[in-house]
Amino acid sequence: RKEVEQDPGPFNVPEGATVAFNCTYSNSASQSFFWYRQDCRKEPKLLMSVYSSGNEDGRFTAQLNRASQYISLLIRDSKLSDSATYLCVVISGAGSYQLTFGKGTKLSVIP
Amino acid sequence: GAGVSQSPSNKVTEKGKDVELRCDPISGHTALYWYRQSLGQGLEFLIYFQGNSAPDKSGLPSDRFSAERTGGSVSTLTIQRTQQEDSAVYLCASSLSGSRTGELFFGEGSRLTVL
Repeated sequence: RKEVEQDPGPFNVPEGATVAFNCTYSNSASQSFFWYRQDCRKEPKLLMSVYSSGNEDGRFTAQLNRASQYISLLIRDSKLSDSATYLCVVISGAGSYQLTFGKGTKLSVIP
Repeated sequence: GAGVSQSPSNKVTEKGKDVELRCDPISGHTALYWYRQSLGQGLEFLIYFQGNSAPDKSGLPSDRFSAERTGGSVSTLTIQRTQQEDSAVYLCASSLSGSRTGELFFGEGSRLTVL
């Protein structure tokens, strides 16, 4: 089982739709969780951290389920500019510095 | 600019040649990472530098790969005797520390094509 698994998509949704991505991780000792965004042929950038209690940043909501070892990202009222690949990222392992990236879920928001 | 700078942005080389990729991190960032991203694949961890500590080289795929970081700043990733499977985008990232905050600042990458 891969450390971090995501549905690769693509998810093709109309503007204004709500879309959700899930990510599962295999290491139960994982400590910290994040979502990154990567635009086509660009570098990844941090979108948001994921806290145990769930957290929201505008149209974006991230949730963590430690018991089931999955993380979710919900995007409400999708915009064309949300089109990108969303990477699930987990910090686990002996050191606190190793970020493990999922392969990403591609989102295309269609006019 | 103030971001992570990588060079070259594109490199085409012949199989068997050596290549050097350079990364200039954000000033003041003590942690520096190299990742590799192949087409359709996730980011693959290669190596991590933190201050003056010994680097974590556990992600280097073979002994053809090496990296150094001089003076705690600029880093060079060297690939010897390149193979076609080395073709990928090599991404460098830096952070203030070991990044428990999870925020790495990436450069735009060096796209390597081995013919």
